Amino acid sequence: QVQLQESGPGLVKPSQTLSLTCTVSGGSISSGGYYWSWIRQHPGKGLEWIGYIYYSGSTYYNPSLKSRVTISVDTSKNQFSLKLSSVTAADTAVYYCARFTVVTRRDAFDIWGQGTMVTVSS
Amino acid sequence: SSELTQDPAVSVALGQTVRITCQGDSLRSYYASWYQQKPGQAPVLVIYGKNNRPSGIPDRFSGSSSGNTASLTITGAQAEDEADYYCNSRDSSGNRVVFGGGTKLTVL
Repeated sequence: QVQLQESGPGLVKPSQTLSLTCTVSGGSISSGGYYWSWIRQHPGKGLEWIGYIYYSGSTYYNPSLKSRVTISVDTSKNQFSLKLSSVTAADTAVYYCARFTVVTRRDAFDIWGQGTMVTVSS
Repeated sequence: SSELTQDPAVSVALGQTVRITCQGDSLRSYYASWYQQKPGQAPVLVIYGKNNRPSGIPDRFSGSSSGNTASLTITGAQAEDEADYYCNSRDSSGNRVVFGGGTKLTVL
């Protein structure tokens, strides 16, 4: 059973870069048919898709965040990562990693990590 | 347009049927998926594709679509169904995805 686990600092200073890693267990990140994704949720608000990456390295980002976001994959470690630069208090949120399954045209986020709270504050 | 619109809140009497809707231009081309989120928990996929339920999701959850509107129906709502529900679909480009704003379901 595939599981995802986010890791990274819970506190980031304004103007710095937020960095999170998602470790995939129980399956290979190199399996075709999946986009490995980052989603965030501001306190008390809805879900916001940040972007995703295919194991080959192809990436797609939310246009509203594209200038600050980089998602990368490390197939040797079965991990993928998020970097969000120049953060402000508005980036304070729970960050989730999730698997977006496209095989058999499922087109859905079928596996989620538990989420990690990141606070931007000096 | 890349937006999906949901009603902010819906209520249903225990045991009754409720429909939660999601509107957006991209839904004319792509199916919506639906997620249930309870306080303090990660979202859980409940419906995907035309009308498919992942393993473990009760059959009282069903999905449908017509034109630019996708719907999640709960037939015989239970107290444990009280949660936030989000729809999701590819955007008009087909390469990215977008979430609806979410619907808070209250079971009375």
